[in-house]
Amino acid sequence: EVQLVESGGGLVKPGGSLRLSCATSGFTFSKAWMSWVRQAPGKGLEWVGRVKSKKDGETTDYAAPVRGRFTISRDDSKDTLYLQMNSLKTEDTAVYYCATFGGGPKWGQGTLVTVSS
Amino acid sequence: EIVLTQSPGTLSLSPGERATLSCRASQSVSSSYLAWYQQKPGQAPRLLIYDASIRPTGIPDRFSGSESGTDFTLTISRLEPEDFAVYFCQQYGSSPYTFGQGTKLDIK
Repeated sequence: EVQLVESGGGLVKPGGSLRLSCATSGFTFSKAWMSWVRQAPGKGLEWVGRVKSKKDGETTDYAAPVRGRFTISRDDSKDTLYLQMNSLKTEDTAVYYCATFGGGPKWGQGTLVTVSS
Repeated sequence: EIVLTQSPGTLSLSPGERATLSCRASQSVSSSYLAWYQQKPGQAPRLLIYDASIRPTGIPDRFSGSESGTDFTLTISRLEPEDFAVYFCQQYGSSPYTFGQGTKLDIK
């Protein structure tokens, strides 16, 4: 059974940092291109960014609102994806999902990040 | 960036009726990498269709997806009470991956 489980969400002040993790199982993580997607309260879905597989260069792409502040990384030895979020803004408040889309999308259940003073 | 435009914004129908939801892409979607999701309040998106027309295991066959050029359609053949929710389309063929703004399907 495919599983993606996010953790690390919580309350953080504007300007602060937070690191999210996504532990996976049930598929070949090392071959997967992995993404983060977020959803602000009452809003639609927004792709945050992705990291390609090591075989494909482990390169990253980011959405414009987070570029330069967020960093996506992966640890294939742990089948785990990370999202390092720095210089957080109130508009980053959202549920954050990890996902992979090749061979049929797979999503986690999400973790809530609240940026507030 | 591929912009996905969903229509209508809200669709009001009754159980037993047929629903047709549209997602129009601003340019070609690579390899037909388009998915449809259903979302209910407080829940994660649920995958209904991927690669434009493939239904995952466990999704009822009343849900179907089709493609014509840059126009994608999700059809629910006969609405059940549990189908009233918000539906999103997403393309994952080229970066940045993008989502439509959603169609709310509510009970008439």
